[in-house]
Amino acid sequence: TQLLEQSPQFLSIQEGENLTVYCNSSSVFSSLQWYRQEPGEGPVLLVTVVTGGEVKKLKRLTFQFGDARKDSSLHITAAQPGDTGLYLCAGLYNQGGKLIFGQGTELSVKP
Amino acid sequence: NAGVTQTPKFQVLKTGQSMTLQCAQDMNHNSMYWYRQDPGMGLRLIYYSASEGTTDKGEVPNGYNVSRLNKREFSLRLESAAPSQTSVYFCASTEEPRGDTQYFGPGTRLTVL
Repeated sequence: TQLLEQSPQFLSIQEGENLTVYCNSSSVFSSLQWYRQEPGEGPVLLVTVVTGGEVKKLKRLTFQFGDARKDSSLHITAAQPGDTGLYLCAGLYNQGGKLIFGQGTELSVKP
Repeated sequence: NAGVTQTPKFQVLKTGQSMTLQCAQDMNHNSMYWYRQDPGMGLRLIYYSASEGTTDKGEVPNGYNVSRLNKREFSLRLESAAPSQTSVYFCASTEEPRGDTQYFGPGTRLTVL
């Protein structure tokens, strides 16, 4: 059974601070996705990383895929209250095209 | 273009009752999925349909059945609801099953008493 460990589970910070969320597995992914979910809604895709060592930037969000394609991180610079939400990583393994989701990181950014 | 729609949004059942959760997508996607979301456990795959006419079990299929009615619609049925099935249920679709963006519906919040 493939597992994705996401940390931390909860994060409460002040506006303007930086933060990093981690996603780790003992298995190799063919790709990894990061989703953001707001209360009462379904997750929405932020980014997909495919190549080991890949770095993608989305405004103040930086996503990195580990060289061995077993781990990933999401770094937010100068967090804002609008960044508040649940962040989920999801790994695609080479079997059947199914995504395996991490437990999620509940981020709260206080003004 | 509504994307992925789910009905109902909220439902309360008594133990042993049955119900069907409906999901439809208007993006002409081939693959559809049912997940459940519980606190601290992320999203867990219940069943999926890689293409019209096929369905397969996911990580937590026990107590559920599915029907891929046509390319647009994918329903999830609870035959005899149990309190352990209290959860938020999400339907998702994707054009192709491997590595493509999954588009999620707004969810159904189900409580089983």
